[in-house]
Amino acid sequence: SAVISQKPSRDICQRGTSLTIQCQVDSQVTMMFWYRQQPGQSLTLIATANQGSEATYESGFVIDKFPISRPNLTFSTLTVSNMSPEDSSIYLCSVEVGSKNIQYFGAGTRLSVL
Amino acid sequence: AQSVAQPEDQVNVAEGNPLTVKCTYSVSGNPYLFWYVQYPNRGLQFLLKYITGDNLVKGSYGFEAEFNKSQTSFHLKKPSALVSDSALYFCAVRDTGGGNKLTFGTGTQLKVEL
Repeated sequence: SAVISQKPSRDICQRGTSLTIQCQVDSQVTMMFWYRQQPGQSLTLIATANQGSEATYESGFVIDKFPISRPNLTFSTLTVSNMSPEDSSIYLCSVEVGSKNIQYFGAGTRLSVL
Repeated sequence: AQSVAQPEDQVNVAEGNPLTVKCTYSVSGNPYLFWYVQYPNRGLQFLLKYITGDNLVKGSYGFEAEFNKSQTSFHLKKPSALVSDSALYFCAVRDTGGGNKLTFGTGTQLKVEL
């Protein structure tokens, strides 16, 4: 498995501002993923972030709104830009460790936009 | 395209009774199937997976799931429910021919009562 730390755990932000969420893993991993969980809903994949390459975004998500950095094999950030109340969600990072085809998740960042 | 259906928003069961949380899936190739559990204000915890082999898969906390290819189902089961099992359960699928993308169901809230 993997120990995944996300910061901040929660935040309340004003519309029009940006928030950067950090994800730190206790081991080197190739693939990291960012998900959004809107209130009362399931998880939706935002993008896949591999070290050394541009993140791959899913349909409906764009780099200008959700820029992602992946500077090394243990760390990634997701920025939620120019926030609106519709961005209020839980944002989770996950990693796939080794060859077991299992994704492990951080505790998430609970974002409220006023 | 891959998809997952969890037909029940909520399942109620008495402590000590068996529980079943239903999941059906759709993929174009062969599926990798997963169950995750989410406790309030926490991230997702991996419970079990089916990749290949025995159709009955055993996982954490006494949970098991049965893969049924003809019915495209992967129902989660536990012989004797505990109050502490009360949580939100997600089924997820990955198409083995479609990369690492996990698609989640809408989740089933399990409530175990005394």
